[in-house]
Amino acid sequence: DAGVIQSPRHEVTEMGQEVTLRCKPISGHNSLFWYRQTMMRGLELLIYFNNNVPIDDSGMPEDRFSAKMPNASFSTLKIQPSEPRDSAVYFCASSTGVGELFFGEGSRLTVL
Amino acid sequence: KQEVTQIPAALSVPEGENLVLNCSFTDSAIYNLQWFRQDPGKGLTSLLLIQSSQREQTSGRLNASLDKSSGRSTLYIAASQPGDSATYLCAVEGFSNQFYFGTGTSLTVIP
Repeated sequence: DAGVIQSPRHEVTEMGQEVTLRCKPISGHNSLFWYRQTMMRGLELLIYFNNNVPIDDSGMPEDRFSAKMPNASFSTLKIQPSEPRDSAVYFCASSTGVGELFFGEGSRLTVL
Repeated sequence: KQEVTQIPAALSVPEGENLVLNCSFTDSAIYNLQWFRQDPGKGLTSLLLIQSSQREQTSGRLNASLDKSSGRSTLYIAASQPGDSATYLCAVEGFSNQFYFGTGTSLTVIP
């Protein structure tokens, strides 16, 4: 398997622009997680899905953030409008539900 | 809410030394515990997964133990090498299928 695939790997944008991050989980995994990592706050869970249904989005910072999982093989994390404080590395991870968690390489976002 | 702590935050050892990284958690009701490695600018790579019914797992020079009753896990690295330099994170999976991460231990192995 190719593992968890994220795109883009790097994104530089200006404040106020819309940002969309994409994730393809490992085939057969039914849980998908979005994390954000910064030096100051470490790894933070933003939202996770089970069988394409959002289970817990309490980590989503504010209404500017939204996530969707239209099918078992694709998820998006959208930030609109983006702000400089959103600059971070965003990770997608997937698992079988009770078991090993696998991470993508991350999307490094810089908002100027 | 589950809290995961890793001590020390940073560790520097000479090459060849055996070392132990610590992870503690507050709620023993877990499905499993997982150790990850993260290299700078990279994602997290899974090293070892210990199911709640297990006491330890081994992979090569790595050995991870789990003591649920005391809320502790250790990652033992034998004969450390400069290539082991990275940040090591532990995570516990609760019954709600949520993963709770520690803040990591940054390891430097000096040649």
